[in-house]
Amino acid sequence: DGGITQSPKYLFRKEGQNVTLSCEQNLNHDAMYWYRQDPGQGLRLIYYSQIVNDFQKGDIAEGYSVSREKKESFPLTVTSAQKNPTAFYLCASRHESSTDTQYFGPGTRLTVL
Amino acid sequence: EDKVVQSPLSLVVHEGDTVTLNCSYEVTNFRSLLWYKQEKKAPTFLFMLTSSGIEKKSGRLSSILDKKELFSILNITATQTGDSAVYLCAVVDGSARQLTFGSGTQLTVLP
Repeated sequence: DGGITQSPKYLFRKEGQNVTLSCEQNLNHDAMYWYRQDPGQGLRLIYYSQIVNDFQKGDIAEGYSVSREKKESFPLTVTSAQKNPTAFYLCASRHESSTDTQYFGPGTRLTVL
Repeated sequence: EDKVVQSPLSLVVHEGDTVTLNCSYEVTNFRSLLWYKQEKKAPTFLFMLTSSGIEKKSGRLSSILDKKELFSILNITATQTGDSAVYLCAVVDGSARQLTFGSGTQLTVLP
């Protein structure tokens, strides 16, 4: 099956803990993105990566970190420095040369207890 | 700063009704506008619009862009309960090719 997978689907974390969200794609897409969605709001960009070993901050990068060691993988770490991490996190990817359309994974719902 | 405003924020209709969703935008270097449908989880792609006045159509859904007045509309005819979802509009900035999303329109179709 081709597509974007995210794991886990649901994640619970205690305050003060770091947690890493997984995003994998087998679409051979160059660019990958992380978004955060809060209730009643649109998506806000956290980080993005257009090529391996390179990434840029989005609009709300504080308290988050990423890596892009492989083309297929773009994990997001939510650190203890993120003040309000409870949200729905969406990963997306796009083929760099062909289109503006981003395709989304199923999302991870993170709840901080 | 790029900005996307969608209206209405929510809409409740009955099956068979026709709805029009609105999206206005301000972007420094416009490249394209995208519509997505989100049902509880991942947004799914509907349309990408780049040129004014050319209607994109898929079944009962259609969309058009006005680059002079800086808005787009998404029409859904003969609505069905399966159309209930949040509809998201996003614009692509030409330089960074990032998406800026609106807050979405929550559409509820009652039987």
